[in-house]
Amino acid sequence: AQSVTQLGSHVSVSEGALVLLRCNYSSSVPPYLFWYVQYPNQGLQLLLKYTTGATLVKGINGFEAEFKKSETSFHLTKPSAHMSDAAEYFCAVSGSTYNNNDMRFGAGTRLTVKP
Amino acid sequence: GAGVSQTPSNKVTEKGKYVELRCDPISGHTALYWYRQSLGQGPEFLIYFQGTGAADDSGLPNDRFFAVRPEGSVSTLKIQRTERGDSAVYLCASSSGPNGHNSPLHFGNGTRLTVT
Repeated sequence: AQSVTQLGSHVSVSEGALVLLRCNYSSSVPPYLFWYVQYPNQGLQLLLKYTTGATLVKGINGFEAEFKKSETSFHLTKPSAHMSDAAEYFCAVSGSTYNNNDMRFGAGTRLTVKP
Repeated sequence: GAGVSQTPSNKVTEKGKYVELRCDPISGHTALYWYRQSLGQGPEFLIYFQGTGAADDSGLPNDRFFAVRPEGSVSTLKIQRTERGDSAVYLCASSSGPNGHNSPLHFGNGTRLTVT
């Protein structure tokens, strides 16, 4: 079974500052890892995913995440926050190579960007 | 093109009533998922369809919850004898899978269900 823990339900940064959203996972099989973003009044959108290969994954809007097996982590970063990054971010893990029905989400981290 | 459409966007019902929530996936997507998102929580898996059949319904909390997808496209989540604890946002997602994680999930905006 898979599970995800997101450290910090709320993160606040200043515009232009580094964004770091933490995610740790538990999986009995090699994991597939995802970050989704939910803007106000919108559905969840895929930001980036790690399946196999390079452990540093680049996504949309300047975000990236690094899979660290030794730390069971998949933290999301962005060098410089923009006001438009304010949203809720969800980390998710799946162990299935066939479909997504075992995907499990974290509780989410709400990012606030201050001017 | 059109994304995943969920109707209604908001539903208020009284305790004990029956409700139906509709999901219209992206055209051609064979896989369809229902999730429930309670306040302050991430999406919680309910049920997964591959075509017309429910391939995995292990997330349905009890037998008051049921979902169908009779023609392999539109799906309806049905909740009988609603309880206040059923209040949540119900999310639907579809993907072109199954073919592993090359088929990302596309989510609708959800239906906010409030049971009074």
